[in-house]
Amino acid sequence: GENVEQHPSTLSVQEGDSAVIKCTYSDSASNYFPWYKQELGKRPQLIIDIRSNVGEKKDQRIAVTLNKTAKHFSLHITETQPEDSAVYFCAASTGGFKTIFGAGTRLFVKA
Amino acid sequence: DADVTQTPRNRITKTGKRIMLECSQTKGHDRMYWYRQDPGLGLRLIYYSFDVKDINKGEISDGYSVSRQAQAKFSLSLESAIPNQTALYFCATSDTQRGGTYNEQFFGPGTRLTVL
Repeated sequence: GENVEQHPSTLSVQEGDSAVIKCTYSDSASNYFPWYKQELGKRPQLIIDIRSNVGEKKDQRIAVTLNKTAKHFSLHITETQPEDSAVYFCAASTGGFKTIFGAGTRLFVKA
Repeated sequence: DADVTQTPRNRITKTGKRIMLECSQTKGHDRMYWYRQDPGLGLRLIYYSFDVKDINKGEISDGYSVSRQAQAKFSLSLESAIPNQTALYFCATSDTQRGGTYNEQFFGPGTRLTVL
């Protein structure tokens, strides 16, 4: 069946450094790729998304890139801050039906 | 503010008991979902519903059932709970009217279920 692989599972960076999380998906029909942030004890919330007709999208310190040929997409966080510490989930969705989530990356930003 | 709510927020039960988790939303969304979250496994889809008359199985539906009582309510039942159903359960909604085929999901606060 469809799956989404996410790496790394844990990432520790120094405040001010960049963080990159990578995902691959298996269903070539996937056309929507959201990223969710889940702070400790909270619900997941969308932070950025990208559609299959776009290669890159940026929103302040976060950016996502999509390589449809390789079925890869990545989240980039620049100038990391302690409040960026959380679990990040990538996901792939097909035609607005099921959304398949990656296993999550726990990001620690050390002050 | 329009929101997604879940009850109960925490529940401890025993093996073999029947449990119902409830989800309500005031967002006016048509689609509702139940996910299970386990450490290192992300969010796995149990069931989803695109409207009141539509129910679909997700990745891990065995041992679970659902009911969509109204557009705003979607309940998850464990007919006979077992310890490996101990997990954090999230309800979510999305809106095809605004999102179309791009399916941003809005999550409830979660229900932490422990089966002893």
